[in-house]
Amino acid sequence: DQQVKQNSPSLSVQEGRISILNCDYTNSMFDYFLWYKKYPAEGPTFLISISSIKDKNEDGRFTVFLNKSAKHLSLHIVPSQPGDSAVYFCAAQYSSASKIIFGSGTRLSIRP
Amino acid sequence: NAGVTQTPKFQVLKTGQSMTLQCAQDMNHEYMSWYRQDPGMGLRLIHYSVGAGITDQGEVPNGYNVSRSTTEDFPLRLLSAAPSQTSVYFCASSLAGGHSYEQYFGPGTRLTVT
Repeated sequence: DQQVKQNSPSLSVQEGRISILNCDYTNSMFDYFLWYKKYPAEGPTFLISISSIKDKNEDGRFTVFLNKSAKHLSLHIVPSQPGDSAVYFCAAQYSSASKIIFGSGTRLSIRP
Repeated sequence: NAGVTQTPKFQVLKTGQSMTLQCAQDMNHEYMSWYRQDPGMGLRLIHYSVGAGITDQGEVPNGYNVSRSTTEDFPLRLLSAAPSQTSVYFCASSLAGGHSYEQYFGPGTRLTVT
């Protein structure tokens, strides 16, 4: 049973518009959430994170929103750029554990 | 710094063969881990280590062995390869476990078992 779910395998967005990637989780013990970005033939790279004590974290064009009651988080990219085309993984972590649980990923394509 | 390096980049094995996937980091990180990535499954944790001499199992440890004799190296051994182990394998490291420490991933090893 997947504890972290990304229900959209792919998303296509026009350059300059907003990209919204969604993620749901089932385990209420998760208290830290992360987004990773992955280009083909490369390893994932850390993008942005949020603690469960916050509902929003912003870093430049990237903002992550957390809705604990709905067990849902989203990543907003504004404005979307061609270099944002990649696979995005949502991940979650327990407070005292080292393990990170990843979702299945969403492939974002930015079209001209 | 080379960061996290993995060898080989590609490997084809026959069922029943054994091999070792190499992972090394030069950042003096205590925490290292192995993941496999399969279509529709995301990244799943195989084994991890919180320091030299200490290893533990992740979500999908069966069929894999690890050891951590040095801080720098964390090899993953496939004892008797099976087609179900066809996957892309990623090694990662971080300064320590827990929230405050970003994980750095290697470029991956694509393994095919026939």
